[in-house]
Amino acid sequence: DIQMTQSPSSVSASVGDRVTITCRASQGISSWLAWYQQKPGKAPKLLIYAASSLQSGVPSRFSGSGSGTDFTLTISSLQPEDFATYYCQQANSFPRTFGPGTKVDIK
Amino acid sequence: QVQLQESGPGLVKPSQTLSLTCTVSGGSISSGSYYWSWIRQPAGKGLEWIGRIYTSGSTNYNPSLKSRVTISVDTSKNQFSLKLSSVTAADTAVYYCARDSGSYLIGAFDIWGQGTMVTVSS
Repeated sequence: DIQMTQSPSSVSASVGDRVTITCRASQGISSWLAWYQQKPGKAPKLLIYAASSLQSGVPSRFSGSGSGTDFTLTISSLQPEDFATYYCQQANSFPRTFGPGTKVDIK
Repeated sequence: QVQLQESGPGLVKPSQTLSLTCTVSGGSISSGSYYWSWIRQPAGKGLEWIGRIYTSGSTNYNPSLKSRVTISVDTSKNQFSLKLSSVTAADTAVYYCARDSGSYLIGAFDIWGQGTMVTVSS
């Protein structure tokens, strides 16, 4: 299985801050990576697919980059509705695997 | 737009079989080259992919669960289902059905059900 790791595991930030989350795969996955946002009691929501493509309807303050084993999700200016947990997921091979999540909370 | 809704018992006894169904509305389950997946999340923990099915019946399963999992599809009802046998307390989780976008969005899960909590307890 491809192991996905994320850092940091949690981050405290203020509205307007730039936040960067890192995801690393245990082996190369090309650009087969997605990012999700999950709020308490809700299903995950797709933000980014193919490492850097913004899903329809997702605000442009979210961006993704990377390929191979190292990826980042950036929120350029944190908004109140962005406080949530973020997961990366690889779709390069089976089984599909997710990172452990990064919780973004209010500073 | 396409929506997914899970249904099934919220309580299952240990050693029994967990059975859930996902109903697809707003579009045909057979439309496009999508796969249909099950994913679970224990309380306070991360996401675990269980497996997926294509409308042809072709499946992929997580090896960690493969011996206990069966995913099936009923295109006439626009549904797909999950069966997980010999459950234990470790199978207690919120279970989500999700659409796997396949080649459209490079394997991302673009539509999710709201999730259903399943507790394994006697």
